[in-house]
Amino acid sequence: SQTIHQWPATLVQPVGSPLSLECTVEGTSNPNLYWYRQAAGRGLQLLFYSIGIDQISSEVPQNLSASRPQDRQFILSSKKLLLSDSGFYLCAWSVPGVGGETQYFGPGTRLLVL
Amino acid sequence: AQSVAQPEDQVNVAEGNPLTVKCTYSVSGNPYLFWYVQYPNRGLQFLLKYITGDNLVKGSYGFEAEFNKSQTSFHLKKPSALVSDSALYFCAVGSGGYNKLIFGAGTRLAVHP
Repeated sequence: SQTIHQWPATLVQPVGSPLSLECTVEGTSNPNLYWYRQAAGRGLQLLFYSIGIDQISSEVPQNLSASRPQDRQFILSSKKLLLSDSGFYLCAWSVPGVGGETQYFGPGTRLLVL
Repeated sequence: AQSVAQPEDQVNVAEGNPLTVKCTYSVSGNPYLFWYVQYPNRGLQFLLKYITGDNLVKGSYGFEAEFNKSQTSFHLKKPSALVSDSALYFCAVGSGGYNKLIFGAGTRLAVHP
C-alpha cells in the first residue's frame, strides 16, 4: 500500500531564515506530487505540482520554491522566510492520469515564522 | 475559471439526525468533484468523488453525495450523524487534465450529543 510522509511535523523559524520541508511517497512509482498551504485552518491553496523529476509548475508567485530530486521526493524551500509564510503545509500525491485521480494527503507540517 | 463555494462556515447537527454539507461549483467542461474531511492538526482524508456515471456516490464512513448538474451542486449527506463526524469538510473540483483541484473554504461540522 502507498504511504506519504512529511517532516518535520512542526517547525518554528525566525523571519529571514531558510526553510526546507520534505515529502516522500512509498509504494508507488512516478506519482504526481503537490504542495498546498492551508492558512488559519481553512481553505487550501495549491502552491506547486509536479508530474515528474525536475518537472515542477508553480501556481502562485511567492517566496517559496519546490524541487523534486527523486521520483518520490518533493521538497519545499525558501531562502528567507517571511511572517506571511506561516501556515500548515500539506503534501499530496496522485497516480498520473487525465484528470479526476484522487489526491492523497500527508499529515502536514505546521510552520510558525516569528 | 474553476471555483467552489461552500456557503456555510459551520453546520450544527444533533447526533442521530441527518446531515447535509453544501457545495456548489463552477467549471468549464465536465467536473471532477471530491469531498475530503480534516480532523484537527491532520492532513485531509478522502471521502468520495464523482467522475462520471451514477449521480449518487457513496463513500467512506456512511457518507454519500449527489451530483446535480442543473444546480451545479455536490452536497455531502449522511442519514444519521455521529459525534465523531465532527470535523472540517472540504469540497474540491477539478476539470480537464493535470489533476489540479480547487478547494472550497471548508465547512466545520459540529455534531452535538
